[in-house]
Amino acid sequence: GAVVSQHPSRVICKSGTSVKIECRSLDFQATTMFWYRQFPKQSLMLMATSNEGSKATYEQGVEKDKFLINHASLTLSTLTVTSAHPEDSSFYICSARRGGGQINEQFFGPGTRLTVL
Amino acid sequence: AQTVTQSQPEMSVQEAETVTLSCTYDTSESDYYLFWYKQPPSRQMILVIRQEAYKQQNATENRFSVNFQKAAKSFSLKISDSQLGDAAMYFCALRNAGGTSYGKLTFGQGTILTVHP
Repeated sequence: GAVVSQHPSRVICKSGTSVKIECRSLDFQATTMFWYRQFPKQSLMLMATSNEGSKATYEQGVEKDKFLINHASLTLSTLTVTSAHPEDSSFYICSARRGGGQINEQFFGPGTRLTVL
Repeated sequence: AQTVTQSQPEMSVQEAETVTLSCTYDTSESDYYLFWYKQPPSRQMILVIRQEAYKQQNATENRFSVNFQKAAKSFSLKISDSQLGDAAMYFCALRNAGGTSYGKLTFGQGTILTVHP
């Protein structure tokens, strides 16, 4: 149990286009989902926290107009990179927090590699 | 603000030997959780072990154990009988149990572990 999927696993797009990444919790309802960005051999940097039915909370320095997050249901959150540029190329990882229980553990998706040409 | 520091960018160990990865942290909260995650080349984040701060007993999961020193804010990971499959990047992470940063994971910089046959 506690599987989180991401789609697509990798995407290549042209500069100026928008790309949508989906994050789904397959076998549980996620009260909260998190979006991270990771550069090669570096740590995960939290971009934003999304709760179902409400606006996402962005971390300092993250452009909310560039990285649009929608948490439409308890099992789906999407990250849209608008007007992507080469510097947006990175590995994007989502995690979903299962509600209930003491620890409320987060479960991670397999990540999406975005390459902007 | 909470911080997590991993001072060892890289570590190596011989197969079947023991290795310890270091982690220190800082938080103003009294109730929190600590985690070690493994990220193999596939980039999938895998939970290795977790520790509740209110528990004095060190967590153990098969070959993985921690040395949790709350006063020193230290949380090291010991891998015994190292296996080739343990080779990965390891992240130490902290999550407050409450407060404004509830649910957010703060990651350390990561330690790349190489296992030599």
